[in-house]
Amino acid sequence: QKEVEQDPGPLSVPEGAIVSLNCTYSNSAFQYFMWYRQYSRKGPELLMYTYSSGNKEDGRFTAQVDKSSKYISLFIRDSQPSDSATYLCAMSIIQGAQKLVFGQGTRLTINP
Amino acid sequence: SAVISQKPSRDICQRGTSLTIQCQVDSQVTMMFWYRQQPGQSLTLIATANQGSEATYESGFVIDKFPISRPNLTFSTLTVSNMSPEDSSIYLCSVSHRSYEQYFGPGTRLTVT
Repeated sequence: QKEVEQDPGPLSVPEGAIVSLNCTYSNSAFQYFMWYRQYSRKGPELLMYTYSSGNKEDGRFTAQVDKSSKYISLFIRDSQPSDSATYLCAMSIIQGAQKLVFGQGTRLTINP
Repeated sequence: SAVISQKPSRDICQRGTSLTIQCQVDSQVTMMFWYRQQPGQSLTLIATANQGSEATYESGFVIDKFPISRPNLTFSTLTVSNMSPEDSSIYLCSVSHRSYEQYFGPGTRLTVT
């Protein structure tokens, strides 16, 4: 079993839709949770960061962490074609350790 | 965030040869990391490169296969040695400014024939 599971998709939605991306994990020691966005032929770009459980909002993006269920989500509101990319979740145990464990990534397409 | 460049951006190499990938950052950073992203797979950490000390390798990766240099706080190299087609992948370097934020370079796309 992988430490972090993420549905690779592909996921295709119409412009303006609310998108929900999810990851599950098995290691209860994970404390720090991140979402990265990766455009084709580019490196991953840090999108959202959360610590422990709870919600964090940044513009059209909301990250949720439910540690009791070992489940994290990224919501994108009013999705735009420019949001089309691969979204990777990542997590780490200790803030100082900096070793990130990534999910497989979900390929998302927003159709105009 | 840091501006990170990698050279080469892509290469096609023959099996048995070696390729050195360079990673340059526009500011001094404490930690640099090397990842591999195989087709359809997640990013996997190869090693952590610290200036002035030996790199720390993750399970499944060894120094003889992936030697790393970190001569200063803005530069690192990763060599993929004695390549086989299984080494075909995207190799990414990342840097850390603060303890939880990692920023990635554009990657080096390697094909081994």
